[in-house]
Amino acid sequence: EDKVVQSPLSLVVHEGDTVTLNCSYEVTNFRSLLWYKQEKKAPTFLFMLTSSGIEKKSGRLSSILDKKELSSILNITATQTGDSAIYLCAIYGGSQGNLIFGKGTKLSVKP
Amino acid sequence: EAGVAQSPRYKIIEKRQSVAFWCNPISGHATLYWYQQILGQGPKLLIQFQNNGVVDDSQLPKDRFSAERLKGVDSTLKIQPAKLEDSAVYLCASSSGDRDRMRGYTFGSGTRLTIV
Repeated sequence: EDKVVQSPLSLVVHEGDTVTLNCSYEVTNFRSLLWYKQEKKAPTFLFMLTSSGIEKKSGRLSSILDKKELSSILNITATQTGDSAIYLCAIYGGSQGNLIFGKGTKLSVKP
Repeated sequence: EAGVAQSPRYKIIEKRQSVAFWCNPISGHATLYWYQQILGQGPKLLIQFQNNGVVDDSQLPKDRFSAERLKGVDSTLKIQPAKLEDSAVYLCASSSGDRDRMRGYTFGSGTRLTIV
């Protein structure tokens, strides 16, 4: 059975801290790994990763994929209260070719 | 381009009642998805359409849930009768070809359903 596991499930930090969120997966027919930020209802796209070792960066956020270890990390530096959200990891793959999500990491950034 | 439109945004119903959600995907997107996200969980795929045909509905509780995508554009998802455990956010998403799907889907703003 395809599965995506995220850790930790929740995290509370203070503004300015750096956080690392983890995602591991066992999915047949892996095509890509995606990170989403979910603040209210709709997930919003952050990164897509397909190749090992290539870091994607956008401002204070960065992510890297390790296809050998079947895992990815999402780093957020100098956290701000606006980073408070649920961060979802998803794999595009599976037998039918669709997005398989993890449970998410709920990040709370305190002022 | 306009995004994925969903309605209603919120719905509260009593258990055993019926409810329907509507989704209008991005113009030209052949693939449409309905996801269910229960509080504290990640989104779970309920059904995937390619044009007006069903590609995957293996996780759709067919005794109470139904979905259709007539004419390969708009879609409706219905629950009848609703149970307490159906309380969730229902997300609709769409995508075009495989390259587009690899980059993830475009999600609608979702419908938050509360069963009382």
